[in-house]
Amino acid sequence: KNEVEQSPQNLTAQEGEFITINCSYSVGISALHWLQQHPGGGIVSLFMLSSGKKKHGRLIATINIQEKHSSLHITASHPRDSAVYICAVSGDSNYQLIWGAGTKLIIKP
Amino acid sequence: DAGVTQSPTHLIKTRGQQVTLRCSPKSGHDTVSWYQQALGQGPQFIFQYYEEEERQRGNFPDRFSGHQFPNYSSELNVNALLLGDSALYLCASSLAGLSSSYNEQFFGPGTRLTVL
Repeated sequence: KNEVEQSPQNLTAQEGEFITINCSYSVGISALHWLQQHPGGGIVSLFMLSSGKKKHGRLIATINIQEKHSSLHITASHPRDSAVYICAVSGDSNYQLIWGAGTKLIIKP
Repeated sequence: DAGVTQSPTHLIKTRGQQVTLRCSPKSGHDTVSWYQQALGQGPQFIFQYYEEEERQRGNFPDRFSGHQFPNYSSELNVNALLLGDSALYLCASSLAGLSSSYNEQFFGPGTRLTVL
């Protein structure tokens, strides 16, 4: 079993829909990261959080430490949101990020 | 603030050759991590440099080596290139804190290496 699991693997939705991507992890963490990667492009860090909730524009990230679960929400989705969204965790005693497999999101106009 | 920069953006090499990739961290950052991302897969951690030393290493052979300079920039060297080394190589910088794993990483655009 992977230490970081994401669901769904693929998600296609219509413009304007509310999007939720889930992430569960099985290791102790110091922080959880949500990142975005466009096709052929580099990676952009969206959020780093260790508790509660953060919001940037139409993006919202939540984390439940007790349940070892995080969600990334996109409100009023737009075709430009189409990308791969990756959940990664910083382990308690580990300098590297432990990566989920990513969720490929396609928003159709 | 220029953010994290990497050079070159694209590179084509042949099997057996050696390659050097470069990374300049975000201003104020002192830690550089390198990742390899094969097509269609998630990034794999290669190693992290802090204070000019390799602090942690992923599951990569010794053909992969690195260096960090006093200005915190870093190089990734790969010797005896194999076809399977073709990938996007990502550099990420961060600022080491009291809890060194609790640090937001900022990524560069990557270097696309193709080995023929």
